[in-house]
Amino acid sequence: DGGITQSPKYLFRKEGQNVTLSCEQNLNHDAMYWYRQDPGQGLRLIYYSQIVNDFQKGDIAEGYSVSREKKESFPLTVTSAQKNPTAFYLCASSIDGRASYEQYFGPGTRLTVT
Amino acid sequence: SQQGEEDPQALSIQEGENATMNCSYKTSINNLQWYRQNSGRGLVHLILIRSNEREKHSGRLRVTLDTSKKSSSLLITASRAADTASYFCATGRYGGGADGLTFGKGTHLIIQP
Repeated sequence: DGGITQSPKYLFRKEGQNVTLSCEQNLNHDAMYWYRQDPGQGLRLIYYSQIVNDFQKGDIAEGYSVSREKKESFPLTVTSAQKNPTAFYLCASSIDGRASYEQYFGPGTRLTVT
Repeated sequence: SQQGEEDPQALSIQEGENATMNCSYKTSINNLQWYRQNSGRGLVHLILIRSNEREKHSGRLRVTLDTSKKSSSLLITASRAADTASYFCATGRYGGGADGLTFGKGTHLIIQP
């Protein structure tokens, strides 16, 4: 099956700990994205990568970090510097990072930090 | 960055009726996209309409775009219980879209059986 996988589905962490969310795609897409969704809200862009070995900050990058060492993988680390990390995190990909195409989303990871 | 805003925030209709939701955005765009999200799930792409298109159809979906008013509408005809979901419009953060999308808060649609 082709698609985007995110793991785990639910993640619980103590305040002050860093945590890494996994995102893998086998669609052979160049571009990958991380979004955050809070209850009753739309999605906000955290980081994006238009091609392997390159990534850019989105609208709310503070307290997050990413890497793009492989085309199929785009992990997101939520650091202890993120003030309100509890949220639903969605990873997406699109075929080409040079223009606007439809994005394919993973099932999401719900992170709870206490 | 620009932002789409959907209206209404919530909509409840009877199965079989048509559902219309609207989206407004702030600056020029290359295209506008609509997505559906079932509760607690990822988003599913529904339709993309380019700035030089005025109307587009896909199955029971009809999308219109009025660039002079910076608005779009999504019509779902003959609604079904399975259409219950949140619907979001999305535009490119800086018009083009290659650097990610900006989403509105969505319209929560409930189809009553």
